[in-house]
Amino acid sequence: AQSVAQPEDQVNVAEGNPLTVKCTYSVSGNPYLFWYVQYPNRGLQFLLKYITGDNLVKGSYGFEAEFNKSQTSFHLKKPSALVSDSALYFCAVRDIDSSYKLIFGSGTRLLVRP
Amino acid sequence: NAGVTQTPKFQVLKTGQSMTLQCAQDMNHNSMYWYRQDPGMGLRLIYYSASEGTTDKGEVPNGYNVSRLNKREFSLRLESAAPSQTSVYFCASTPGENSPLHFGNGTRLTVT
Repeated sequence: AQSVAQPEDQVNVAEGNPLTVKCTYSVSGNPYLFWYVQYPNRGLQFLLKYITGDNLVKGSYGFEAEFNKSQTSFHLKKPSALVSDSALYFCAVRDIDSSYKLIFGSGTRLLVRP
Repeated sequence: NAGVTQTPKFQVLKTGQSMTLQCAQDMNHNSMYWYRQDPGMGLRLIYYSASEGTTDKGEVPNGYNVSRLNKREFSLRLESAAPSQTSVYFCASTPGENSPLHFGNGTRLTVT
């Protein structure tokens, strides 16, 4: 069965420092991977996706993610964190059995301190 | 652009009561979804509708029913609410497979 794991419940980083939010996946076949962000009392917003092509994917708000097939990872990164990046981040993978369905990780809370 | 609109924003029910959560999108998307979000568990798919006229069960469909009323609207019904259904419910839509989901702002439901 397909799955995605976010091993950290929370990531703390100082403003201006680089940030990484980790995601690993388990799928048969080629994975289609997504990152979403959720701000308080709001729905999820799409950040970026990997379907095929370059392993480094650029997305909204200066975020990027690196697809690593050998490590089955899709970590979210940003070179310089902002306090406004503080939010809940979700990794997701497309369900191989039904391309209309996404399987979400449990989420990682990012806290950027001034 | 309204995007995906969910009503109500908040609801408190007593065990055994019924209610319908409404969702409408104005982006002419084909596919619509209902998720629930619980702390530490991410989002779990309840039901989805790949296209108008079709609905399918997701990961946690028990205790829920859905109706794809037309291309714009996808409602979620709780026939007999239980405390285990206390959650935040999100509706989402997408133009097609592999396209990003667009989410509403959620309905916070408490069942006492």
